Amino acid sequence: NSKVIQTPRYLVKGQGQKAKMRCIPEKGHPVVFWYQQNKNNEFKFLINFQNQEVLQQIDMTEKRFSAECPSNSPCSLEIQSSEAGDSALYLCASSPDRGVYEQYFGPGTRLTVL
Amino acid sequence: GDSVTQTEGPVTVSESESLIINCTYSATSIAYPNLFWYVRYPGEGLQLLLKVITAGQKGSSRGFEATYNKETTSFHLQKASVQESDSAVYYCALVRNNNNAPRFGAGTKLSVKP
Repeated sequence: NSKVIQTPRYLVKGQGQKAKMRCIPEKGHPVVFWYQQNKNNEFKFLINFQNQEVLQQIDMTEKRFSAECPSNSPCSLEIQSSEAGDSALYLCASSPDRGVYEQYFGPGTRLTVL
Repeated sequence: GDSVTQTEGPVTVSESESLIINCTYSATSIAYPNLFWYVRYPGEGLQLLLKVITAGQKGSSRGFEATYNKETTSFHLQKASVQESDSAVYYCALVRNNNNAPRFGAGTKLSVKP
């Protein structure tokens, strides 16, 4: 079973509010991914890190989303100004290596933007 | 960019019947991707079912098999005899080493009738 920890499990925000969620990857996993899964079960890759360095991110992430993986602290994903369309399940996954990229997922943070 | 297409669900089969969930991927790069099947059982998080990182090889786990076919760009998931406990949502995914933004299919919900 995966040992990726995500908090909080549920998050409710009003439009325009900041929304912040955290992820602790499995011990020893240097690569962390963030995804948005919508109500149709579609995955959207947002950003990934190796240790503290961003490997890749999509345009959406660059504009309203910010993410970081500081050393010795949980990784975080923050939406600066939430919109109704941001309501989704946000999944964090970690990977033990860069190359194969098999991923171990956390339970997710369910964000609802009212 | 890359894309993954899999059998549209829901799929319902009876216990002990055979199963195939189709998965095809786009080939937008010379580099062959790593291919994965993930599964989400009811009430649980997403977990890795099997992976294949070399074209032509087969992966297997929990009675499921998938063969990486680079000619047809397919990675179909098969099981000879399903059990009720296989009821879950199955996701096909790919990652390329030179573009590490993973791509997931839309998921196939499988229900196995006793």
